[in-house]
Amino acid sequence: AQKVTQAQTEISVVEKEDVTLDCVYETRDTTYYLFWYKQPPSGELVFLIRRNSFDEQNEISGRYSWNFQKSTSSFNFTITASQVVDSAVYFCALSEAEGGSEKLVFGKGTKLTVNP
Amino acid sequence: DTGVSQDPRHKITKRGQNVTFRCDPISEHNRLYWYRQTLGQGPEFLTYFQNEAQLEKSRLLSDRFSAERPKGSFSTLEIQRTEQGDSAMYLCASSLDTSSGNTIYFGEGSWLTVV
Repeated sequence: AQKVTQAQTEISVVEKEDVTLDCVYETRDTTYYLFWYKQPPSGELVFLIRRNSFDEQNEISGRYSWNFQKSTSSFNFTITASQVVDSAVYFCALSEAEGGSEKLVFGKGTKLTVNP
Repeated sequence: DTGVSQDPRHKITKRGQNVTFRCDPISEHNRLYWYRQTLGQGPEFLTYFQNEAQLEKSRLLSDRFSAERPKGSFSTLEIQRTEQGDSAMYLCASSLDTSSGNTIYFGEGSWLTVV
């Protein structure tokens, strides 16, 4: 069965600090996708990134970067120079890629609070 | 706004009443999903449509829950004889089925409180 673990329940940082959110996953599939979503207090899940299991290149998008390591089944997310607007709950998710619905299995989320 | 829209955003109902939520997916998205999220938890998959066909249902979807997507566009999720345990946020999502996989986009959710 697929499983996503976000061990950090809550993280609190001061503005401009760098912060890394951890994500560890379990799957028997050889082809799968990994996602990160941001959920601000309004409730909407905002898509941040999708990564194919065959693409282990790290990705950077502005202050956001992602480190995918298949050997450790991890897909960590780093925010550089955090800002108050980054405060939200962040979810890591996994979906199988072959056939079926490609439904997402989510972790429990990490609540990030960035203090001014 | 061309994102996934859900209505109503908030609903308070008495136990035993029926409620219905509507979801309008992103135009041309052929896949539509319903998820449920309770406080402190990640969203959990409920059901999925490919066009108008409901292809998968979670065991979380009891007999009191029914979802439809009659013309392959908007979808409704009805909960009959609501119970306090149904209180949650119901999230709708949509995606376009492609050979390179799907990116699933979510709406703002419909909050349900059963009193």
